Amino acid sequence: SAVISQKPSRDICQRGTSLTIQCQVDSQVTMMFWYRQQPGQSLTLIATANQGSEATYESGFVIDKFPISRPNLTFSTLTVSNMSPEDSSIYLCSVNGQLGTEAFFGQGTRLTVV
Amino acid sequence: ELKVEQNPLFLSMQEGKNYTIYCNYSTTSDRLYWYRQDPGKSLESLFVLLSNGAVKQEGRLMASLDTKARLSTLHITAAVHDLSATYFCAVDVSFGNEKLTFGTGTRLTIIP
Repeated sequence: SAVISQKPSRDICQRGTSLTIQCQVDSQVTMMFWYRQQPGQSLTLIATANQGSEATYESGFVIDKFPISRPNLTFSTLTVSNMSPEDSSIYLCSVNGQLGTEAFFGQGTRLTVV
Repeated sequence: ELKVEQNPLFLSMQEGKNYTIYCNYSTTSDRLYWYRQDPGKSLESLFVLLSNGAVKQEGRLMASLDTKARLSTLHITAAVHDLSATYFCAVDVSFGNEKLTFGTGTRLTIIP
């Protein structure tokens, strides 16, 4: 199994500012995924991050709002830009297992925008 | 657009009882995942079902997959309080890349 470390685990931010969330994996993985979980809701995929190429965003999510970096096979960042209270959510990164049969999740970043 | 629906959304049951959570999805997939989430926590993987007819069991939980009916079930046997959590199913339609579409979730409360 993959061990995923996310930083920060939680933060309270002022509206209009930006927050960068880091995701570090203990092994090399091809794909990393970023999900959002709004309060009391299910998880929604934001984007897929591949090393060496632009992230692929899902409908309703744009690069200007959620820029993603993927500088190598073990690390990715998600930035939540120009935050508003509606961005208050848990953000989770995920990777696929080496056997391609399992998806692992980080512990999540709980973001509150005030 | 892929839709993944869970039923029920909320479930309150007494200890010792049996119940089933249903997960229906709207497009072809042969990979289905079940996760548990405790309040304020991340997701814990419970089961990965990779083929039609797959059945997996762990303790009081058993999951099955019927790809023809596009239906998965999570059965709880003789529930105990520590099974209280939110349970999600998720479907992978990216041919094994683990890009998941999640169900709505079922919030399970076990009453002593």
